[in-house]
Amino acid sequence: AQSVTQPDIHITVSEGASLELRCNYSYGATPYLFWYVQSPGQGLQLLLKYFSGDTLVQGIKGFEAEFKRSQSSFNLRKPSVHWSDAAEYFCAVRTSYDKVIFGPGTSLSVIP
Amino acid sequence: EAGVAQSPRYKIIEKRQSVAFWCNPISGHATLYWYQQILGQGPKLLIQFQNNGVVDDSQLPKDRFSAERLKGVDSTLKIQPAKLEDSAVYLCASSNRDRGLYEQYFGPGTRLTVT
Repeated sequence: AQSVTQPDIHITVSEGASLELRCNYSYGATPYLFWYVQSPGQGLQLLLKYFSGDTLVQGIKGFEAEFKRSQSSFNLRKPSVHWSDAAEYFCAVRTSYDKVIFGPGTSLSVIP
Repeated sequence: EAGVAQSPRYKIIEKRQSVAFWCNPISGHATLYWYQQILGQGPKLLIQFQNNGVVDDSQLPKDRFSAERLKGVDSTLKIQPAKLEDSAVYLCASSNRDRGLYEQYFGPGTRLTVT
């Protein structure tokens, strides 16, 4: 079955530290992969997406993600976290017939 | 380009009452999605339309939820009767393929509180 897992429910990092959020997907064909961010009470904002080509994709707000087919992973990274990055992060995969499945999310807290 | 519109933005009802949400997708987008997002969880796909046909409604609680997309444009999602566990944000999204690239756009959501 198609699915997305985000192993870390909650992560806390210090401001200025690096960040990596994990995402694993289950889908037989080549996936379209997305990372979204959602601040409290706000809508979903697309950070970045992977369709094909270069496996390292750059997004907004200094985020990047790397697609690793062998590991079925699409981890999100940021070299230096800002306090404003505290939010909920969702990984998603587009499967057949343009069905988009979301992971359960990772909540990020940033310590000043 | 106008985004995905949803109304109302907030709704408070008592259990066993009925409620309806409306979504207007981006013009020209053939695919429309309704998601349910319970606090602290990821969005769960309830139903997906391609034009006015249903592509996937496997997670729609059909005993109480219904959705339609007349004429392949606007869509309504109805809950009748509502239960406490239906309290959530209901997100509408639409998608398009432009030169083979897939893009999905979300509306602001409707926050439903069932008391």
